[in-house]
Amino acid sequence: AQSVAQPEDQVNVAEGNPLTVKCTYSVSGNPYLFWYVQYPNRGLQFLLKYITGDNLVKGSYGFEAEFNKSQTSFHLKKPSALVSDSALYFCAVRGTGFQKLVFGTGTRLLVSP
Amino acid sequence: NAGVMQNPRHLVRRRGQEARLRCSPMKGHSHVYWYRQLPEEGLKFMVYLQKENIIDESGMPKERFSAEFPKEGPSILRIQQVVRGDSAAYFCASSPPGLAGVSNEQFFGPGTRLTVL
Repeated sequence: AQSVAQPEDQVNVAEGNPLTVKCTYSVSGNPYLFWYVQYPNRGLQFLLKYITGDNLVKGSYGFEAEFNKSQTSFHLKKPSALVSDSALYFCAVRGTGFQKLVFGTGTRLLVSP
Repeated sequence: NAGVMQNPRHLVRRRGQEARLRCSPMKGHSHVYWYRQLPEEGLKFMVYLQKENIIDESGMPKERFSAEFPKEGPSILRIQQVVRGDSAAYFCASSPPGLAGVSNEQFFGPGTRLTVL
């Protein structure tokens, strides 16, 4: 069975500081990993994905994520946070041979001025 | 290229009525997915469809819920005899047909927020 864990309900960071949003996964076979962001009353926006290759993936709005196979993690990072980054972030996994995405419960990121 | 379209954006139904949610995928996308998001929770997969075929409905409740993606027109998620527990945001996503071994991201619509009174 596929599963995703986002251990933090909320992450608080000051503007200009680096941010990390954590994600660990469990899947049989090779994982396809995704990060999405959701703003209030909106749908999900795709940020980045890991399929294969370089463990450091760069995405939209200056975000990046590091795939770590040994730790089964895919943490989202940004070197310098903006207030406008405040939103709900979802990690998702898709196992080989499956089409559906399995989402974590989400982490609310709050960036203070 | 318009994104994934969903309508209505908000839907209010009384217990026992039917709810019909519509989703038009992005142009060129032939895969449609429906997810449900309960308040303060993540998205839960419901069903995956291709044109005229249900591929995976493992997340659909056994009763009252059905989905279709006809040859022409939008995908429809139908909920019969709604109950208060059906109140949620329902999101549709689409993706293009993929080559073997390629995983395409899914593009999400703005969602339909269903409220059952």
